[in-house]
Amino acid sequence: EVQLVESGGGLVQPGGSLRLSCVASGFSFSSYGMHWVRQPTGKALEWVAAIGTTGDTYYPGSVKGRFTISRENAKSSLYLQMNSLRVGDTAVYYCARVSPCGSYHCFDSWGQGTLVTVSS
Amino acid sequence: QSVLTQPPSVSGAPGQRVTISCTGSSSNIGAGFDVHWYQQLPGTAPKLLIYGNNNRPSGVPDRFSGSKSGTSASLAITGLQAEDEANYYCQSYDNSLSGLDWVFGGGTKVTVL
Repeated sequence: EVQLVESGGGLVQPGGSLRLSCVASGFSFSSYGMHWVRQPTGKALEWVAAIGTTGDTYYPGSVKGRFTISRENAKSSLYLQMNSLRVGDTAVYYCARVSPCGSYHCFDSWGQGTLVTVSS
Repeated sequence: QSVLTQPPSVSGAPGQRVTISCTGSSSNIGAGFDVHWYQQLPGTAPKLLIYGNNNRPSGVPDRFSGSKSGTSASLAITGLQAEDEANYYCQSYDNSLSGLDWVFGGGTKVTVL
């Protein structure tokens, strides 16, 4: 069974930093692209970062330069280093696996999420 | 504001058919990118419901179906059941200035009357 377990969320002041972790099990972690997706309470999903099997990384403009995604295949772990945090970054952060879905990829497994609150 | 537009809510009685639209533009759905749909039950993580416009993963009931045409896509639920009450999100890709972004709709809450 595929399992993704996030940790590292918490309360941080604006301008601060936080590092999220996601431990994967039940599949060959190194063979899959991995993403972070966030969701503010009561609001829509928003893609945050992606990392491919070869370590290539991708970000939307809203977090580029502030967030860094990385992976450690030996530990089946995914990370998200978040710097210069803003109140608007407050959300539940999900770790998600992507798989081929038709001509592209889709999120076929999700973790339970970890809450990040940015507030003074 | 989400790149893909969905109605905030739809409702229907048990057994009825409801549809959820997902409207994009020429830089995302209209560019030929696939649309996927996710179901999020209250207090849980999203779950893949439809992939590649109209395909169901194993275990998803056949009362869920998807379609795509032009710059829009739709999710249909036939024979609505109480357990279908959830938020539904469409997802595609968008050619942005910074590259290819993964984009979601704003979500639609389905209420079973």
